[in-house]
Amino acid sequence: KQEVTQIPAALSVPEGENLVLNCSFTDSAIYNLQWFRQDPGKGLTSLLLIQSSQREQTSGRLNASLDKSSGRSTLYIAASQPGDSATYLCAVNTGNQFYFGTGTSLTVIP
Amino acid sequence: ETGVTQTPRHLVMGMTNKKSLKCEQHLGHNAMYWYKQSAKKPLELMFVYSLEERVENNSVPSRFSPECPNSSHLFLHLHTLQPEDSALYLCASSQDARTGAGETQYFGPGTRLLVL
Repeated sequence: KQEVTQIPAALSVPEGENLVLNCSFTDSAIYNLQWFRQDPGKGLTSLLLIQSSQREQTSGRLNASLDKSSGRSTLYIAASQPGDSATYLCAVNTGNQFYFGTGTSLTVIP
Repeated sequence: ETGVTQTPRHLVMGMTNKKSLKCEQHLGHNAMYWYKQSAKKPLELMFVYSLEERVENNSVPSRFSPECPNSSHLFLHLHTLQPEDSALYLCASSQDARTGAGETQYFGPGTRLLVL
């Protein structure tokens, strides 16, 4: 069974800092990997989707990379802002199901 | 606005109560999902519906009973729940249930459930 791990579980950084969130998965047979953002008490919002054949995707200050063979993905956030404070979840799509990590709770301090 | 709505947003119920959660998607999708999100745990897939037929049931206790009357609406009927069932229940939809290469899911805001 696919297992998805996210490290660290929580992260606190000062505003303006660049940061990296990590996601690892145990089975490399995936269709794609997706990063979501979840605000407290809210649903999930999709940030970036990387197909299994791709190495990275970028959207604004966000850049996600994928190394399928090693089972790793990173989400890079440039010039962090207080509005980036949220929980970030990664999910892998095996074709039958999405498997989610437990998330990284990010706090950006003004 | 995600196009997926859920009601109620918050629910407190006793273990002997019967209640229902409602999800509606306005995206024209064919598949709908129920997830359970507990503290410190990954999202757990509960049920998957494709074109109103249940295609996945991940060993969910019978005290949770899903219903999909049409492709836009999904219900989760609750009865005789336990305190450990307290969690955020998320509904999602996608174009198809076969989660192919380009597929993504769109999530509702969730229902925060507390079982006393």
